[in-house]
Amino acid sequence: AQRVTQPEKLLSVFKGAPVELKCNYSYSGSPELFWYVQYSRQRLQLLLRHISRESIKGFTADLNKGETSFHLKKPFAQEEDSAMYYCALRNSSASKIIFGSGTRLSIRP
Amino acid sequence: SQTIHQWPATLVQPVGSPLSLECTVEGTSNPNLYWYRQAAGRGLQLLFYSVGIGQISSEVPQNLSASRPQDRQFILSSKKLLLSDSGFYLCAWKGQGTQPQHFGDGTRLSIL
Repeated sequence: AQRVTQPEKLLSVFKGAPVELKCNYSYSGSPELFWYVQYSRQRLQLLLRHISRESIKGFTADLNKGETSFHLKKPFAQEEDSAMYYCALRNSSASKIIFGSGTRLSIRP
Repeated sequence: SQTIHQWPATLVQPVGSPLSLECTVEGTSNPNLYWYRQAAGRGLQLLFYSVGIGQISSEVPQNLSASRPQDRQFILSSKKLLLSDSGFYLCAWKGQGTQPQHFGDGTRLSIL
C-alpha cells in the first residue's frame, strides 16, 4: 500500500538557519515523489519533483530509495518560506497520488 | 491556459441534508481529476480520483460519492451529510502521464 509520512506537524527555525522537512514513503513499486507548498491565502502548488532534480526557491530534495525518504532541504531559511508543506507520492500508473499529513514551517525573524 | 474552478467557496449545511460540490477544468482534455479532504492534523486525504468519464476510484469508504458526467466535470455528493463530513474539500486535475497536479481554491464545508 502507498503511504507518505511527515513526522513533524510544525517546524520552527530562525531566519538564516538550515531547514530540513522530513518525508518517508512506503510503496512497493517505483514511486514518483513531489513536494507541494501552500502559502497563506494561496492555492496548494507544486514546489518540486524528484525527477526534475532541480532547486526551486533554494529548496532541494533527493530521493533516497534505500531509506525510502524524500526530505526537503534549504541551507538558509527566509521569512517568505513560512508555509504548509506537503510531501506526495504518485504510483507507477501515474494516476493515484497521495499526500502526507503536512508540516507547517514557521521562520522566525 | 488551463484553469480549475471549484464552487461554492463556503457552504453551511444541516446534518442529514444532501450535498453537491462541483469542480470544472478548462483548457485541457481528458484530465485526471481528484477530490481530497484537508483536515487539521490529517493532511490531504485522497477521497476519489477519475481517469475518464464515468470512471471513479474510491479510496476511503464513507458517506460521500463522486461522479464524472462530463470530461472536465467532477462532482462530489452525499445523500445525507454527517457532522464528520465537515472539512475543507479540494479538487485537483492533472494531465496524462507524469504531469503534476493543479489544485482549486477549495470548498469549506460546515455541518451544523
